[in-house]
Amino acid sequence: EAQVTQNPRYLITVTGKKLTVTCSQNMNHEYMSWYRQDPGLGLRQIYYSMNVEVTDKGDVPEGYKVSRKEKRNFPLILESPSPNQTSLYFCASSLRDRAYEQYFGPGTRLTVT
Amino acid sequence: SQKIEQNSEALNIQEGKTATLTCNYTNYSPAYLQWYRQDPGRGPVFLLLIRENEKEKRKERLKVTFDTTLKQSLFHITASQPADSATYLCALGQYTGRRALTFGSGTRLQVQP
Repeated sequence: EAQVTQNPRYLITVTGKKLTVTCSQNMNHEYMSWYRQDPGLGLRQIYYSMNVEVTDKGDVPEGYKVSRKEKRNFPLILESPSPNQTSLYFCASSLRDRAYEQYFGPGTRLTVT
Repeated sequence: SQKIEQNSEALNIQEGKTATLTCNYTNYSPAYLQWYRQDPGRGPVFLLLIRENEKEKRKERLKVTFDTTLKQSLFHITASQPADSATYLCALGQYTGRRALTFGSGTRLQVQP
């Protein structure tokens, strides 16, 4: 089954404790992206990747890092999480030339206390 | 800056009626506009795409219109059912650049039996 998976689905952590949210897709997609969703603000792009080893900032990259060492994986790293990073996070993927067909993962609900 | 507006108040309608949701945008010239469905705790699911040179698109009980002069899209669900209850997101996109989707904050639809 073609899908985007994220782990963990739910995470409660404390300020400053490094964490990684994993994202994996099995559709051989070049383009991958991370969004965060906050009430009243819609989804906002954090980082994106056009292909392996090619990443760039989205609209709200502060406090986040990403890496793309393999085509299927695109982890999101929070080196020192803060409460304002409490949010619902979505990973998405698509073929590079068909970015209008983005497939979204199930989401990771992160709470930073 | 780019802005997308969707009715923040929930839309309540009776089963069998037509639901009409609105998406207005400013400071943006999208190549295409999409509508997504999002259920609580889930990722957005793509429903329909309409390109800038198209006026109307249909898919089963769904119809989307796109007026680039008014900078507005209308999303219609005919013969609505309780199973259509969800939040509906409007998103704008480009074929080039970082290919990020710019999302509205969504409108929650509740279809009463």
